[in-house]
Amino acid sequence: DGGITQSPKYLFRKEGQNVTLSCEQNLNHDAMYWYRQDPGQGLRLIYYSQIVNDFQKGDIAEGYSVSREKKESFPLTVTSAQKNPTAFYLCASSWGGTNTGELFFGEGSRLTVL
Amino acid sequence: KNQVEQSPQSLIILEGKNCTLQCNYTVSPFSNLRWYKQDTGRGPVSLTIMTFSENTKSNGRYTATLDADTKQSSLHITASQLSDSASYICVVSANMEYGNKLVFGAGTILRVKS
Repeated sequence: DGGITQSPKYLFRKEGQNVTLSCEQNLNHDAMYWYRQDPGQGLRLIYYSQIVNDFQKGDIAEGYSVSREKKESFPLTVTSAQKNPTAFYLCASSWGGTNTGELFFGEGSRLTVL
Repeated sequence: KNQVEQSPQSLIILEGKNCTLQCNYTVSPFSNLRWYKQDTGRGPVSLTIMTFSENTKSNGRYTATLDADTKQSSLHITASQLSDSASYICVVSANMEYGNKLVFGAGTILRVKS
C-alpha cells in the first residue's frame, strides 16, 4: 500500500546527542515536509523540500537539519543545538509543492530527551 | 498576524449525539481551509478541503462549512461514534508569493463516551 513510513516510533536521547528520524514515502510525491507538534499548539513547520537535492527552512529550523538525496526519503536530524527537542515529529508529503496539494502524514515519531 | 483559533479546546459527548467544532481565522490572503482528524499518537488524516467558493462539504458523517466573509468554519459530526474520539485540527492555507503557507490550529479534542 502507498503511504508514508516514519521510524522509529519512539526515540530516547541523552542531552548533547544528535538523532536522525527517518521518513520514506512511496506515493511518488514531489514535496515533503517535517512538522513539530507540542501539546496545546498547532503544528509548526521545520523544513520542507519541493524537489530532490533542494530544501527550505520552515518557521523553526534552528537546531535541525535535513537532506533530500532521493525523492522517496527526507530524513530529519535533531542536533544537540536544539534546546528543547522533546516533541512529536510528523513527516508529510504532497503532490504539489509548497502545500498546494493535500497533505499526507506519517504516523509520527515521539522524541524524548532524558 | 496569521492565526487560527479553534473552540472549544475539548469536548465530551455521548455516543450517538451530534456536535459542532468551530474554527476562526485571520489568515490572508486565503487559499483554502482543511479539517484533519488525528487519533492519539497517530498522524493527522484529511477530512475535507474547502476553497473560497465552497460553503459546505461533506465526508460521510462529517460536514464542514465555510463563511469566507466572517472567516469562520465549522465541522459538524452527526451521530457520533466511539471511533470519532480524536483531535480535530483546522488548517488554513495562505496564498503567499512563494506558494501556500499552512497555518495550523491547536485542535479540539473530542471524546465520545458510551
